[in-house]
Amino acid sequence: AQTVTQSQPEMSVQEAETVTLSCTYDTSESNYYLFWYKQPPSRQMILVIRQEAYKQQNATENRFSVNFQKAAKSFSLKISDSQLGDTAMYFCAFMALGNSGGSNYKLTFGKGTLLTVNP
Amino acid sequence: DGGITQSPKYLFRKEGQNVTLSCEQNLNHDAMYWYRQDPGQGLRLIYYSQIVNDFQKGDIAEGYSVSREKKESFPLTVTSAQKNPTAFYLCASRDVFGPNYGYTFGSGTRLTVV
Repeated sequence: AQTVTQSQPEMSVQEAETVTLSCTYDTSESNYYLFWYKQPPSRQMILVIRQEAYKQQNATENRFSVNFQKAAKSFSLKISDSQLGDTAMYFCAFMALGNSGGSNYKLTFGKGTLLTVNP
Repeated sequence: DGGITQSPKYLFRKEGQNVTLSCEQNLNHDAMYWYRQDPGQGLRLIYYSQIVNDFQKGDIAEGYSVSREKKESFPLTVTSAQKNPTAFYLCASRDVFGPNYGYTFGSGTRLTVV
């Protein structure tokens, strides 16, 4: 079974600064995806960024980028130029690909990091 | 617009009663999922279905039941056997033929036992 660990329950950052959220995972799978989801106060889950495990290049989406260290099983999210609208709960998630071993493309989530951006 | 509709947004239940949460999608997705969210616990998988008339238990299925009679619908019943049902429930779907395996989430139902 896969596990996802987010060791920072809460974090805060000043507007316009950079913040990094940590995530580690444990798996014996070789083919998988990793995700960061954002859940603002509306509680709608929003996909922030996705990383395919077979890709060595780190994914980026505008102000959001990841540091994917496959050997260390680490997947951190960096938010640059933080904005007030970035205030939300952030979840790291893992998906093993394929139907073997019961993976069935299920998402396994960490417990989340509550990020507050201060003006 | 295509999406997932969960209803109701808020639901109150008396102890000992069963209650059904609705999840409907018009995305033509084959796979659907139910997650439970508690403070400090992240999202935990209750049940999932990859095709009509078939579903599997997730990590916390006890006290819950589902059906998948139509591709568009995946209702979740919280039974009286669920000891602590107060939580936020999220439904999601996935395009099994899509290129990026992404999930689409509904806006959730907040269930409170009174």
